[in-house]
This record gives sequence, structure tokens and C-alpha cells, in this order.
Amino acid sequence: DQQVKQNSPSLSVQEGRISILNCDYTNSMFDYFLWYKKYPAEGPTFLISISSIKDKNEDGRFTVFLNKSAKHLSLHIVPSQPGDSAVYFCAASLDSDTGRRALTFGSGTRLQVQP
Amino acid sequence: EPEVTQTPSHQVTQMGQEVILRCVPISNHLYFYWYRQILGQKVEFLVSFYNNEISEKSEIFDDQFSVERPDGSNFTLKIRSTKLEDSAMYFCASSRYDTQYFGPGTRLTVL
Repeated sequence: DQQVKQNSPSLSVQEGRISILNCDYTNSMFDYFLWYKKYPAEGPTFLISISSIKDKNEDGRFTVFLNKSAKHLSLHIVPSQPGDSAVYFCAASLDSDTGRRALTFGSGTRLQVQP
Repeated sequence: EPEVTQTPSHQVTQMGQEVILRCVPISNHLYFYWYRQILGQKVEFLVSFYNNEISEKSEIFDDQFSVERPDGSNFTLKIRSTKLEDSAMYFCASSRYDTQYFGPGTRLTVL
């Protein structure tokens, strides 16, 4: 099942610079997208989300961009901090009559922010 | 800030034994979920639960699995007869609307 893909397994950036994490999806029915951050031995922590009716959502240092025609979303972290070092997962879901459906996750990108 | 809690944090069991993983979702949430992550693989959806019934399940969620909300606060996942391949991190999640919030997970090791 490759409906959500994160093609970069790892990314290393310098503290203070921008981190850009990418995600592609194949199912055009997905209408809600989320980014989660995960540390080892912990559960995914919600970061930011975007509905398909928008192309950008911003929350502090985190901005998510959605390009529906390209079926692509990205997470920008500016400025990057060493505490941002973690695995970042992209996830997508569909709506249904009974509410939000299952999340489909990407494989994750390990971000390392160098001091 | 309210959070999803899970117990135990680590469960070791023998193949063929029954296990029950427990979760306390965020109190005003309406939708409850179980996911699992086998080491080195993606987080995979197992089941969702709403209004005291299963609303969606994946093909992983076969007859060996069941879920229950025995009271107003707990949400459990039971595996009737564990197999070696059930070894994984199991995450509970809950949501009120669109965003799912995850617990810290239970590491299940089947020997």
C-alpha cells in the first residue's frame, strides 16, 4: 500500500535554517492531511493539519502547503531547532458519513537539526 | 493538556495467549482508534470505533482481534490467540472531529 509516500528517509539541516519535508499521495479522495512528529518509544504527536479546501496552513514555526493538482504536500519548519530532531510522518484521511476515517501514514522522514 | 494514556507500556506474552491492551482516550472525544507499527514498518490502521460499534476495520483486524469500550473511559484491544507476527507497537488514538491524538503506545512482544 503506497497511497502516501515520503521519499526522503532522512534530512539533515543546520539550526536556524529551514527544514522542508515532503509527502506525495496517490488517492485523490483524500481530503484531510496531517503531520505528526515521533520520538523513539513514544506515540505520534500531532503537529499541524490541512483540509483539501486550503492550500496553506500556518502555526508558529510550522507551515503546511498542499498542492492538490500535484498530490503533494510539504511541511516547512522555520527556523529549525535541535529539539525538532525526530521522525516526521505525513498522514491522510477521507471523510465519511460516520466521521473521519482511518489515517494512512507515510513511512516517515528522520529530521536531524545540527546545532 | 488532556492526553491519551495506554497501559501497559510493555507486554510480553507467549504465543497463543490472550492479551488485552488498554487505553483511556481524551474525555470529550467521540471516535477511538487502534493502530500498530511493526518494527521498521509504517504505522498501520487496525480499527475505528464510534457510538459503541466498529465503524471501520482493516484486513489486519481479523477474528483474533476485538475491541470494547467497557465503561465511559476505557477502550480496549483484545488479541485472542497471539502470534509471533503480532509483535509490534500498538497505538490508541482518539478524536473529537478531524484530528486524531495518539497515546504513547504499548510494546507487545510475543515469544
